[in-house]
Amino acid sequence: AQSVSQHNHHVILSEAASLELGCNYSYGGTVNLFWYVQYPGQHLQLLLKYFSGDPLVKGIKGFEAEFIKSKFSFNLRKPSVQWSDTAEYFCAVNADSGNTPLVFGKGTRLSVIA
Amino acid sequence: SAVISQKPSRDICQRGTSLTIQCQVDSQVTMMFWYRQQPGQSLTLIATANQGSEATYESGFVIDKFPISRPNLTFSTLTVSNMSPEDSSIYLCSVDWFHGYTFGSGTRLTVV
Repeated sequence: AQSVSQHNHHVILSEAASLELGCNYSYGGTVNLFWYVQYPGQHLQLLLKYFSGDPLVKGIKGFEAEFIKSKFSFNLRKPSVQWSDTAEYFCAVNADSGNTPLVFGKGTRLSVIA
Repeated sequence: SAVISQKPSRDICQRGTSLTIQCQVDSQVTMMFWYRQQPGQSLTLIATANQGSEATYESGFVIDKFPISRPNLTFSTLTVSNMSPEDSSIYLCSVDWFHGYTFGSGTRLTVV
């Protein structure tokens, strides 16, 4: 079965700082990888996803993530955060066999301060 | 992408009662997934609902507590039975739409 580890429980950054959130997964087969964001009081929104091809994936709102297969990692990055990026970020994985559920990490709360 | 309508959006229920949550998808999908998000926590898969067969439950979740119906390819319900305060959570349904997972807006359940 798959599992996902997000190393940072709570990250506090100043506006314009760079962001990197760690995500590692455990699974022996081919996986699909996702990052979701949940703004306060709102439902999940997909930031980006990786299935195959270029391991550097660009998503919405200036976010990107890099899949490093040898490290089983899919870290999320943003060069310059804004106050509006304050949210909970979830890494998720599923087995690449179609119609399988997502397995989520515990999430990282990002607080961006002015 | 597929659009999911989930209701109710929130409810406050007395302990010992049951609540049925509905999810309607605007397209036919094979699998629907039900998740729980407890306060301040991540999403935990409750079960996978496949049309025409019994739902498959994850460890720690049982059919008597969380019965699921899947009468057709666009609709599913999750019932939270004999509720206790520990069941207070957000419950979400999800579908895999061509590898773009879509989530319902969630049902915020408070058990008092």
